[in-house]
Amino acid sequence: EVQLVQSGAEVKKPGESLKISCKGSGYTFTSYWIGWVRQMPGKGLEWMGIIYPGDSDTRYSPSFQGQVTISADKSISTAYLQWSSLKASDTAMYYCARLPYGNYRINFFDYWGQGTLVTVSS
Amino acid sequence: EIVMTQSPATLSVSPGERATLSCRPSQSVSSNLAWYQQRPGQAPRLLMYGASTRATGIPARFSGSGSGTEFTLTISSLQSEDFAVYYCQQYNNWPWTFGQGTKVEIK
Repeated sequence: EVQLVQSGAEVKKPGESLKISCKGSGYTFTSYWIGWVRQMPGKGLEWMGIIYPGDSDTRYSPSFQGQVTISADKSISTAYLQWSSLKASDTAMYYCARLPYGNYRINFFDYWGQGTLVTVSS
Repeated sequence: EIVMTQSPATLSVSPGERATLSCRPSQSVSSNLAWYQQRPGQAPRLLMYGASTRATGIPARFSGSGSGTEFTLTISSLQSEDFAVYYCQQYNNWPWTFGQGTKVEIK
């Protein structure tokens, strides 16, 4: 059974750094792209970026390029999303999700993590 | 960037009735369109991809149709667990974009 298990909720202050995680199991982690999706409170879904854990090839949505860093550690089947300096506007639920196809350009999300709630407040 | 417009924003339907949701991309996305369901407090779940292919485990009462710039998700007979928010996503053009969602509520 494919599973993506995300790290727990975080409460941070503006300016702090943060790294959240997403551990995959039940499939060959290095053979599938993993993506991150933001959902701000009461709002819709926004795709942030994707990574291929096999070689760490990473692609970002233009809206999130330079704002976050996506990485992966294939030795422990875990992908990460990190911020160097959080803002209040980063408050949101963040989901990781697997992409079923090898072609990163034509792809969608077939399995989702449970989400990590990030709250940034002074 | 392709803008995805979903309508209506809210759909009030009685259990057992049919629901029809619309998704219109601002330019053609061929058949590279997915639908997701998000129940309250839960992560999204893939329903459809390729516009009309049901994902694993999705009941047959869900069907998708369309291509280009006009797509429809139909739920033939609404069950209690189907009351949720539904999102479409195009994956034909980079960056991928989602619609703003249609909330299906109990009438």
